[in-house]
Amino acid sequence: GQSLEQPSEVTAVEGAIVQINCTYQTSGFYGLSWYQQHDGGAPTFLSYNALDGLEETGRFSSFLSRSDSYGYLLLQELQMKDSASYFCAVRGRTDSWGKFQFGAGTQVVVTP
Amino acid sequence: NAGVTQTPKFQVLKTGQSMTLQCAQDMNHNSMYWYRQDPGMGLRLIYYSASEGTTDKGEVPNGYNVSRLNKREFSLRLESAAPSQTSVYFCASREGTGGFGEQFFGPGTRLTVL
Repeated sequence: GQSLEQPSEVTAVEGAIVQINCTYQTSGFYGLSWYQQHDGGAPTFLSYNALDGLEETGRFSSFLSRSDSYGYLLLQELQMKDSASYFCAVRGRTDSWGKFQFGAGTQVVVTP
Repeated sequence: NAGVTQTPKFQVLKTGQSMTLQCAQDMNHNSMYWYRQDPGMGLRLIYYSASEGTTDKGEVPNGYNVSRLNKREFSLRLESAAPSQTSVYFCASREGTGGFGEQFFGPGTRLTVL
């Protein structure tokens, strides 16, 4: 089976940096992705890591360490519009081909 | 392109009633998904379809049936609704079947079962 753990909430001020950690346990591993969801909205894709290391997309970066079964999403230069929930998701290799499992989500609250 | 569309946006049912949630995508994607999201929780996979005519159970399939009649459309049916099925339902699609790729989500259907 698969399980993912991420913190439930993180609060930070505008302009700050926030790191959202995600640890996972899977029977096989294909990749770790991140999604953003604003209240009442649909999730939208942010990034994907298949290999170890850092992927940067503008103010957002995502990191993966397969040996530690761990990844994080880094939000830099926080803006009020970054207040949202952030989900990590994994896809396994074996009988879960094509299927994804999502973490419970981290609520990021940005304050002025 | 409309992306992924879902109907209806809101629905209230009584216990025991049935209904079908509709989902369509215009991106020529192969994979389609149905998730449910309960308050303060992540997305849980109900069913997955890798291609027309094929479906596979996800994490929480009990009480649901699905149909993938063509590449564009993937419907979710509740045969006898229960209060435990009160949730927000999201449909998603993805270009590939294997590999890894971005999932595109519809706007969701907010279902309340009384």
